[in-house]
Amino acid sequence: AQSVTQLDSQVPVFEEAPVELRCNYSSSVSVYLFWYVQYPNQGLQLLLKYLSGSTLVKGINGFEAEFNKSQTSFHLRKPSVHISDTAEYFCAVTDTGGGNKLTFGTGTQLKVEL
Amino acid sequence: DAGVIQSPRHEVTEMGQEVTLRCKPISGHNSLFWYRQTMMRGLELLIYFNNNVPIDDSGMPEDRFSAKMPNASFSTLKIQPSEPRDSAVYFCASSLTGLNTEAFFGQGTRLTVV
Repeated sequence: AQSVTQLDSQVPVFEEAPVELRCNYSSSVSVYLFWYVQYPNQGLQLLLKYLSGSTLVKGINGFEAEFNKSQTSFHLRKPSVHISDTAEYFCAVTDTGGGNKLTFGTGTQLKVEL
Repeated sequence: DAGVIQSPRHEVTEMGQEVTLRCKPISGHNSLFWYRQTMMRGLELLIYFNNNVPIDDSGMPEDRFSAKMPNASFSTLKIQPSEPRDSAVYFCASSLTGLNTEAFFGQGTRLTVV
């Protein structure tokens, strides 16, 4: 079984400032890692994913994340946020068996202020 | 493709009534997932189908919940009888089983049981 911890429930940040949303996972097997974004009253949309290869993964909307196996982390970063990035962000994990059954963290609400 | 389609978008029902939520996955996808989102518990996987067969229903909270997938293009989640604590947003997601795939989410059904 896997678990995901997102320590920050809310992250306020000013527009054009950098941001990092933290994600740590726990698993006894190899995993794939994902970040999803949820805008108000919408479903979840994939931002980026790590399957293998380079530990730095680039996604949509200027976001990137780095997989750190030794620290079991997959933190999400953006060098300069925009007001439109205000949303809830979910880190998720699945085992590499191909079943695609996601285990989600509790989410981090990113609030970008002017 | 129109994406994963869920209906209804909103449902308000009285305690004790039967509720049926519907999902049409993306054409060609062979995995389907039902998730529930609440403030208290976040996103929880309820049940997972592969090729129309339920693979893992360990997340279904109790016998009042049931899910079916009669064919590759349709699934239902039924709650009978409904209770106020079932109030949540229910998401359906679909994907292709295997490597390098992502789960695509519908816009969700917001259920309120009064």
